Amino acid sequence: DGGITQSPKYLFRKEGQNVTLSCEQNLNHDAMYWYRQDPGQGLRLIYYSQIVNDFQKGDIAEGYSVSREKKESFPLTVTSAQKNPTAFYLCASSSGRDGELFFGEGSRLTVL
Amino acid sequence: KQEVTQIPAALSVPEGENLVLNCSFTDSAIYNLQWFRQDPGKGLTSLLLIQSSQREQTSGRLNASLDKSSGRSTLYIAASQPGDSATYLCAVADNQFYFGTGTSLTVIP
Repeated sequence: DGGITQSPKYLFRKEGQNVTLSCEQNLNHDAMYWYRQDPGQGLRLIYYSQIVNDFQKGDIAEGYSVSREKKESFPLTVTSAQKNPTAFYLCASSSGRDGELFFGEGSRLTVL
Repeated sequence: KQEVTQIPAALSVPEGENLVLNCSFTDSAIYNLQWFRQDPGKGLTSLLLIQSSQREQTSGRLNASLDKSSGRSTLYIAASQPGDSATYLCAVADNQFYFGTGTSLTVIP
């Protein structure tokens, strides 16, 4: 089945550690996105990529990094510079800005 | 910058009732509007996509309308069921996707 796979579903991190969240899609979509969701807040855009080997910062990119070496994959690294990383992270993809947006099941990161 | 507002923030209805969820946005220059459902601890599931040239879309008991000129969309749910309990979010697409904060719906058996 076509879709978006995020892993791991749950992740615990000690302060000062970097962690990488995986996002893989088999929808043949050019565009991929990372969002952060906190209780009581809307989704906030971290990074997005419209094409392989290119990506742009979203509204809250500080403390995060991404890569887009393959069309299918858009991993997100939460670095130790991110001051408040505990959150629910959602990966999405679309065929373009005017295409339907599809989401993965999310990854919940908890900093101990 | 686009701002998306959803009213009400929470809604509780008895099973079988028809209901309307509202979404408003500030800039009418959008490509499309999408309605999503989110269950607790899960990702967003796409319900309906309305392109900017369309006025409404229907899927089963769901009907979504779009009035671009007034910056409004409504999601109509007919004959609500307890399984419809979830948070419903709308999103508009212009240069980015902009999301509302959602309406938390509880359908009481």
